[in-house]
This record gives sequence, structure tokens and C-alpha cells, in this order.
Amino acid sequence: DAQLVESGGGLMQPGGSVRLSCAASGFSVSNNYMSWVRQAPGKGLEWVAILYGGGSSFYADSVKGRFIISRDNSKNVLYLQMDRLGVEDAAVYYCARGLPSYIAAAGKYGLDVWGQGTTVTVSS
Amino acid sequence: AIQMTQSPSSLSASVGDKVTITCRASQGIGSDLGWYQQKPGKAPKLLIYAASTSHTGVPSRFSGSGSGADFTLTISSLQPEDFATYYCLQDYEYPWTFGQGTRVELK
Repeated sequence: DAQLVESGGGLMQPGGSVRLSCAASGFSVSNNYMSWVRQAPGKGLEWVAILYGGGSSFYADSVKGRFIISRDNSKNVLYLQMDRLGVEDAAVYYCARGLPSYIAAAGKYGLDVWGQGTTVTVSS
Repeated sequence: AIQMTQSPSSLSASVGDKVTITCRASQGIGSDLGWYQQKPGKAPKLLIYAASTSHTGVPSRFSGSGSGADFTLTISSLQPEDFATYYCLQDYEYPWTFGQGTRVELK
């Protein structure tokens, strides 16, 4: 079964940096598009970033220029490098797998496997 | 960015009720919309993608419809395990955007 496990969250200082990790098992992160979604305490879901198998990436306006999504194919891990953290970045961060081609036809998108989330707190 | 507006923000219903949640996009998005269910303290789960395609293993009581700017998630007969918050997500263009959520509570 496909599984995702996030790590790397914790208490961070405003202006600081952190790198979140998302370890995948049961599938290859390089063969799927992968995304990060966050949820601030008591708030709704916010899409953060996406990385395609071919390497292209896209970001939410709120994180563009501060966050970088990447992967290590050899380790089968997805990352989210978060720089210049602000209090507004405090949230549970989920990684998610994009629907594989054997499930969804080309051009059909969705996030079908999610991790349990890792919590980032930003406070001085 | 495309704005997604869900309605209602919350609703109270009983087991067996038919429940309808709507999602309106600020511009046309074709059929590029998904629906997700989230229970407290848990990760979201994909229910519907491409507006009307049910994800594998999703009970048949969940259905999606719509295209363009207006979409609907219908639960034909609400079950106890369906009390949760539901979100739409447009994947038509970047940045992808979620609706604000609809909380389905027990009446």
C-alpha cells in the first residue's frame, strides 16, 4: 500500500527556516506529482505547492519565493524547504500524492494518498 | 487566483438525510474540481475528482456534479461516519485553491 510519513516540524523562530520531509513507501515520488497542503489551527485547507515527475513546480502566492518543493529520488522522499518563516506559516503540513495514471486519465487531477501531517509552530 | 466559495459553511442534518454542498468558482474551471472529506485531527480524503468521478472505494452515496463554475457534492443518505468537513479544490490553474469548507454536523 502507498504510504506517506511527514517529519521535520516543530517550534520555529520568525524569520527562520525549516525543511519538512515526506517519506514515501509503496510507490515512487519521481513517478507521481506530489503536493504539500497546510492547515492553520482551526482553519481550512490551503494548497501550498506541487512538483511534477518532470521537475516542474508551482506554488501558492503566499509562499512563492520563500518555499521550495523538491525530492530525492534515491531516498524516495519529498521535501519542503521553508525560509523566512512568519507566524502565518504556522500550520499542520500534509504531503499528498497525485492520482497515478493507472487510476485517473491524463488531465484528471486529485490528491489520493495523504500523510498524517507534521506541525510547524512559529513563535519567538 | 481563482476563488472557490462553498455553501453553506455549515449544516445540521440527521442520519438518512440527503445533503447537498455547493462550490462556486470565481471563473470557469471546466470540470477540474475535486471534493475532499476531513475528520477532526485527520488528513483529508479524496472523494471525487474531475467533478464527478468517484475515487476508488468511496461509497456510492457520494456523488459530484457540475461544470464551468458551479459544482455540487451530494450525499444521498447521510451515515454516521459522514459527519465531517468537506472541501472542494480546483485544479484548473495554479495556484490550486480550496473552498473554505462545509462542516456537516449532527442535528
